[in-house]
Amino acid sequence: AQKITQTQPGMFVQEKEAVTLDCTYDTSDPSYGLFWYKQPSSGEMIFLIYQGSYDQQNATEGRYSLNFQKARKSANLVISASQLGDSAMYFCAMREAYTGNQFYFGTGTSLTVIP
Amino acid sequence: DSGVTQTPKHLITATGQRVTLRCSPRSGDLSVYWYQQSLDQGLQFLIQYYNGEERAKGNILERFSAQQFPDLHSELNLSSLELGDSALYFCASSPPGGRNNEQFFGPGTRLTVL
Repeated sequence: AQKITQTQPGMFVQEKEAVTLDCTYDTSDPSYGLFWYKQPSSGEMIFLIYQGSYDQQNATEGRYSLNFQKARKSANLVISASQLGDSAMYFCAMREAYTGNQFYFGTGTSLTVIP
Repeated sequence: DSGVTQTPKHLITATGQRVTLRCSPRSGDLSVYWYQQSLDQGLQFLIQYYNGEERAKGNILERFSAQQFPDLHSELNLSSLELGDSALYFCASSPPGGRNNEQFFGPGTRLTVL
């Protein structure tokens, strides 16, 4: 089974609107972390946000927030007030202690912000 | 600029050869991570070092090895190269007790095996 599933290969959003990028994960380890990364067309990788499995509150970093639903094993990224510069690939990843702190990545979602 | 440097930026070599990719983390960061991004395999975690010690191991082939030196820079050695090793190799670093597990990525080394 896939550890990380991103079911949206491509998404479009109007500038200034909010958008949710989906991510579900599969683990039986009680201790894990969830990450989101952004990769613009220029190719660099940018860390966006982190959520720990024991964190009580959803993580937020500026316009990024992580909608963490533990029982549903989902960790969706919400980008508020989209900007043209948000157009990029977005990757969800999980790190679990059970497998020696390995990272597992999803296949990514390509987000296009329309002016 | 994340403060993480990777050299070289591009590398073109032939099958069967050996190459070394170098990463210098941000000043003060003790952890170094290596990732591979290819069209076939997507993004994969290879290995993590913390202050010179291996901390976590991912899908790193036996033909690949890495180490972190006392000055905290890291090298990823790829040997007996195959066409499928062509990929973008990222290094990232993170500080000790880093805020929210933040990682800082280098610009990557693009390896082409012909």
